[in-house]
Amino acid sequence: QTVVTQEPSLTVSPGGTVTLTCASNTGPVTSDYYPNWFQQKPGQPPTSLIFGTSNRHSWTPARFSGSLLGDKAALTLSRVQPEDEADYFCLLYYGRRHVFGPGTKVTVL
Amino acid sequence: QVQLVESGGGSVRSGGSLRLSCAASAFTFTDYYLGWIRQSPEKGLEWVAYISKTGSRFYYEDSLKDRFTISRDNSKNSLYLQMNSLRVEDTAVYYCVRDADVAGPQFDPDYWGQGTLVIVSS
Repeated sequence: QTVVTQEPSLTVSPGGTVTLTCASNTGPVTSDYYPNWFQQKPGQPPTSLIFGTSNRHSWTPARFSGSLLGDKAALTLSRVQPEDEADYFCLLYYGRRHVFGPGTKVTVL
Repeated sequence: QVQLVESGGGSVRSGGSLRLSCAASAFTFTDYYLGWIRQSPEKGLEWVAYISKTGSRFYYEDSLKDRFTISRDNSKNSLYLQMNSLRVEDTAVYYCVRDADVAGPQFDPDYWGQGTLVIVSS
């Protein structure tokens, strides 16, 4: 069974930097998994942030960046703002199958 | 701007059926793959299915392909999900999503609808 894992929760101070990761139980996450990242605020649908590991959508603020970090996909939030408090989900591609991670709750405090 | 508006959700008894619809606007419908993703508190976000631009190819989450059918009507700019033999565990918000149409075999959701809630009771 394919399992994608993320940190359950992270806390960051306003103006700070936080990195979220996305791992696969099948092995190292590479660009062939085409990692995507999404943000979801309470009561709203997810919003797409990053596709293809590190590509921002036209609406994605530059303070959000995607990368590969060791064996994982990563989303780094820089210069964090209060409105970045949300749940963040990753999505990995496994040859026709697409599997979401359980999400990371980011608290800005 | 791009809009995806789902409809057709509701409450149904276990074993019943529902047909979800997604009305798309403000983009060239036939230029994009489309899909359905669902979300529940118990299972989180789950991929359901996606369909090619012409509607000739479909991809389903393995556990759902015998009960769910994805289709599209390019003349009506609409996407559908026929759900049969519904189970309590199918209870979720169902989102219509558009693919970003980036090169490669993967589906990169860019736009999401607001979702439609499906509740299946025993």
